[in-house]
Amino acid sequence: QVRLQESGPGLVKPSETLSLTCTISGGSINPYFWSWSRQPPGKGLEWIGYVFYTGSTSYNPSLNSRATISLHRSDNRFSLNLNSVTAADTAVYYCVRSGGSGGAYWGQGTLVTVSS
Amino acid sequence: QAVVTQEPSLTVSPGGTVTLTCGSSTGAVTSDHYPYWYQQKPGQAPRTLIYDTTNSHSWTPARFSGSLLGGKAALTLSGAQPEDEADYYCLLSYNVVSWVFGGGTKLTVL
Repeated sequence: QVRLQESGPGLVKPSETLSLTCTISGGSINPYFWSWSRQPPGKGLEWIGYVFYTGSTSYNPSLNSRATISLHRSDNRFSLNLNSVTAADTAVYYCVRSGGSGGAYWGQGTLVTVSS
Repeated sequence: QAVVTQEPSLTVSPGGTVTLTCGSSTGAVTSDHYPYWYQQKPGQAPRTLIYDTTNSHSWTPARFSGSLLGGKAALTLSGAQPEDEADYYCLLSYNVVSWVFGGGTKLTVL
């Protein structure tokens, strides 16, 4: 059974870079999409972007090129960097595996607060 | 960027049937949008119910089904249970490169 686990700092200062890792267990990296989504407190879900197993990426244009998602095959994980954060980036961040006709599996989520 | 629309809230009686819909500002939703449906209960991560329009996960209760209906993606709940009270989100893919969530539907079982 596929399991995803987010990890990273729970507090980030404004203007700094938010960095999260998603550890993958119980499944292969191929042939899936590995994505990040987020949910501000009390609000709906927002797609951030994905890295395909081939390494190609795509991002939500509303983030103005602040996001970078990378795949790390050697240790079965993928990561999210979001630079120049503001309070509006405070949210629960989720990593997700989808595609490959296999449905979608979500991590449990991690709350990141942007505050000085 | 496309806008994906869902009913903000719906109410269904226990044992009743309700259909949630997911529309797109770009036109009719088709199977090429690979519609996903997620259920989220308070304090929990979303859980996938339906993927690629009609496919269920092993954990998806049989009372949930997905379809295309009137140019929208649809999630039908037949025989609502109290535990189905939750927020429901759809996700559409636009040419694979852009994914957009709907605003979510708050379903009340009452």
